[in-house]
Amino acid sequence: GNSVTQMEGPVTLSEEAFLTINCTYTATGYPSLFWYVQYPGEGLQLLLKATKADDKGSNKGFEATYRKETTSFHLEKGSVQVSDSAVYFCALLQGAQKLVFGQGTRLTINP
Amino acid sequence: DAGVIQSPRHEVTEMGQEVTLRCKPISGHNSLFWYRQTMMRGLELLIYFNNNVPIDDSGMPEDRFSAKMPNASFSTLKIQPSEPRDSAVYFCASTPQSGGSYNEQFFGPGTRLTVL
Repeated sequence: GNSVTQMEGPVTLSEEAFLTINCTYTATGYPSLFWYVQYPGEGLQLLLKATKADDKGSNKGFEATYRKETTSFHLEKGSVQVSDSAVYFCALLQGAQKLVFGQGTRLTINP
Repeated sequence: DAGVIQSPRHEVTEMGQEVTLRCKPISGHNSLFWYRQTMMRGLELLIYFNNNVPIDDSGMPEDRFSAKMPNASFSTLKIQPSEPRDSAVYFCASTPQSGGSYNEQFFGPGTRLTVL
């Protein structure tokens, strides 16, 4: 079946550091891919998405490129801030509406 | 602009008791999803509804779990009887359904359930 694998956390960085959170997927065909973010005590929020190969999703300084050759959708940000501390989930769309999530990666940014 | 509303936010109960979690989707959204989040299993889809009709309940763990959506503005997830392994955060999400294309799911703040 379809699945998503994320790099294990937790990840701890200093402010202004470069961030990469790896995500790979296993799926039939080329599903839409997403990154969701969960801030402490809140539900998940959509951060960015890509619907086809080579698409780049971007939002709030975060980017991820849909790479079908490597079945990957790594999340990157050039300079992280303390406010980026959260749990990040990679997900794929199975069918029309079902999201399959990775395990989540907890990110902590120190000032 | 109210988002998805869940109640209660926290629930502590004893093993064997019935637990009912409630969700009010965003007005105008006609798809509703229930998820469970645990450290061991991550975020799992339990069931989802389109236009108040259950479409896929393959994620419901066992017969102790049931979900209903009696109208477009209310859904419940019931566990009877509850067990300690049901302890988790339960999220509700809603989205406007449109034919063929994916729409963003908006999540509620979750209900943290502890079964002693």
